[in-house]
Amino acid sequence: DAKTTQPPSMDCAEGRAANLPCNHSTISGNEYVYWYRQIHSQGPQYIIHGLKNNETNEMASLIITEDRKSSTLILPHATLRDTAVYYCIVRVANAGGTSYGKLTFGQGTILTVHP
Amino acid sequence: DGGITQSPKYLFRKEGQNVTLSCEQNLNHDAMYWYRQDPGQGLRLIYYSQIVNDFQKGDIAEGYSVSREKKESFPLTVTSAQKNPTAFYLCASDKGVVAFFGQGTRLTVV
Repeated sequence: DAKTTQPPSMDCAEGRAANLPCNHSTISGNEYVYWYRQIHSQGPQYIIHGLKNNETNEMASLIITEDRKSSTLILPHATLRDTAVYYCIVRVANAGGTSYGKLTFGQGTILTVHP
Repeated sequence: DGGITQSPKYLFRKEGQNVTLSCEQNLNHDAMYWYRQDPGQGLRLIYYSQIVNDFQKGDIAEGYSVSREKKESFPLTVTSAQKNPTAFYLCASDKGVVAFFGQGTRLTVV
C-alpha cells in the first residue's frame, strides 16, 4: 500500500472550513483514498473515500488532484466536536471495486477547532 | 460502532498472565482486524483475517495470537511473550468497501 504524509497538526476557527491535506505521491491506479478520524479514546470513525473523482457526503468533501498524488479533506463548517486526529489512508481495491487487505494508519493530523 | 462489540472496555491483568480480548460483529463482514494503539501514536496492525479459518500477521504480531473459527468472532490473545502489552486495542471489520471499528479495549498490565 502507498504511504501517506500529513501535517502533524492544524488549527481551525469554529464555523470556518477545515482543509486537511494529504500527500500520497506513490499511489497506484487501483488504490482508494480513505479518511478516518479518531476522537480521544474512541475507535476511528469512517468519514469518506474516493478513487479519482471528488466525493461529498453529509460529513465532508474529498478533493483528489488529477494526478491522484494528493488529496484534501474539507469539513465545510467546523465545530468544536470536529476536534480529533484525522487519518488519510490508501488501500488497494480489487477488480470488483472492493477493497481488501490491511488498512495502514500513519500518525495523522491533529485538528484543533477553537471558538 | 456499527455492530462491532469489543469487551471489556477496560481490562487489568497481572504481568505474566495471558489475556483474551473479545471482538464480535453482526455485520456479516468477511474481514476482521486487530490494531494496537499506544499513547500519542497511530494504529498498528497486529493480525487480520479475510475469511474464516485463515488469518495473516500484521506489522507487530509477536506476542499475540488469534483465531477465526466463526465469521462473527475474532478473539485476540495477548500472551506473556508480549513485552509491553499495556495499550489500547481496537478491532475492525470490513466487507470490502468501508472498515468499521469497535470502541476499543484498554488493557493495563500491572
